[in-house]
Amino acid sequence: AQSVTQPDIHITVSEGASLELRCNYSYGATPYLFWYVQSPGQGLQLLLKYFSGDTLVQGIKGFEAEFKRSQSSFNLRKPSVHWSDAAEYFCAVGRDTGRRALTFGSGTRLQVQP
Amino acid sequence: NAGVTQTPKFRVLKTGQSMTLLCAQDMNHEYMYWYRQDPGMGLRLIHYSVGEGTTAKGEVPDGYNVSRLKKQNFLLGLESAAPSQTSVYFCASSYSTGVGQPQHFGDGTRLSIL
Repeated sequence: AQSVTQPDIHITVSEGASLELRCNYSYGATPYLFWYVQSPGQGLQLLLKYFSGDTLVQGIKGFEAEFKRSQSSFNLRKPSVHWSDAAEYFCAVGRDTGRRALTFGSGTRLQVQP
Repeated sequence: NAGVTQTPKFRVLKTGQSMTLLCAQDMNHEYMYWYRQDPGMGLRLIHYSVGEGTTAKGEVPDGYNVSRLKKQNFLLGLESAAPSQTSVYFCASSYSTGVGQPQHFGDGTRLSIL
């Protein structure tokens, strides 16, 4: 069975500092990986996705993520955090067959200090 | 661009009452999903549908029923609400073909069972 672990429940960074959110997955085949962001009271918005090719993927809002098969990781990064990035971030793994449902991590809440 | 629309946005029920949550998508997606989100647990799949007239169970289906009579609508029913069903419910949809198709989410329904 597939699973996703986000080891950091809560992270606080200063505005302008760099950010890395960790994600580790367990999956028997080539995974399809996603990062979503959820602002308070809102639904989930897709930041970026990986399914093949270049292991460094670019997303919206200046985010990027790197797929590392050897480490089973798909960490999300941003070079300089803005106050508007404060939100909850979810990593998810899916597949391209069957029901295509996503398995989500438990999320990382990001707080940005001025 | 409406995308995925969920109604209602908020609801308070008493134990034993019934209700139906409605999800509507205007993207002509074949696949639709219902998730519940609880603190520290990410999103968990309740039921899903791979097309009009078909439904299937996800990881946490007990106490819920679903129907997909029209391609654009996916209904989630609680026949006899229990306090354990207090949660935020998200509907999502996606295409059935194509590599790495992401899921598109609604803004959620916050449901409290007293």
